[in-house]
Amino acid sequence: EAQVTQNPRYLITVTGKKLTVTCSQNMNHEYMSWYRQDPGLGLRQIYYSMNVEVTDKGDVPEGYKVSRKEKRNFPLILESPSPNQTSLYFCASRGQPTNEKLFFGSGTQLSVL
Amino acid sequence: AQKVTQAQTEISVVEKEDVTLDCVYETRDTTYYLFWYKQPPSGELVFLIRRNSFDEQNEISGRYSWNFQKSTSSFNFTITASQVVDSAVYFCALMPNSGYSTLTFGKGTMLLVSP
Repeated sequence: EAQVTQNPRYLITVTGKKLTVTCSQNMNHEYMSWYRQDPGLGLRQIYYSMNVEVTDKGDVPEGYKVSRKEKRNFPLILESPSPNQTSLYFCASRGQPTNEKLFFGSGTQLSVL
Repeated sequence: AQKVTQAQTEISVVEKEDVTLDCVYETRDTTYYLFWYKQPPSGELVFLIRRNSFDEQNEISGRYSWNFQKSTSSFNFTITASQVVDSAVYFCALMPNSGYSTLTFGKGTMLLVSP
């Protein structure tokens, strides 16, 4: 089954404790992206990757890191989480052509205390 | 820069009423794509439709219909005879047809359908 898999689904952590949210897709998609969703703000893009080893900032990249060492994986790294990063996070991927729809993961609800 | 505006934050209707969700967009690109996604209470994002800027034909899929008007930069979504299962947050999104190709979302409209 074609899917984008995020883990974990829920995560509670404390300020400053490094964490990684994993994202994997099995559709051989070149494009992958991370969004965060906050009430009243909709979904905002954090980072995206057009291909392996190619990443770029989205609208709200501060406090986040990503890597794209393999085509299928696109982890989101919070080196020193802060409470304002409490949010619902979505990973997404898309194939070619570029106008194809985004496939989204199920989301990761992160709470930073 | 591109922008998507969903002016309706929340809409409440009674089952079987028709409801229209508004979406207005801004872009300098001459070609682009418009999308609608649904987010039910379970939280996942469900793709509903993609529309090419070249194609201004309205589309109907069951109880759902979409009205794309390039002249007013709008891509409105109508649910006919709403049902409780339609309760969700609906997002409109825009993507330019260029190498950058990132999807910009509106802030969403929460639709509450009561029995």
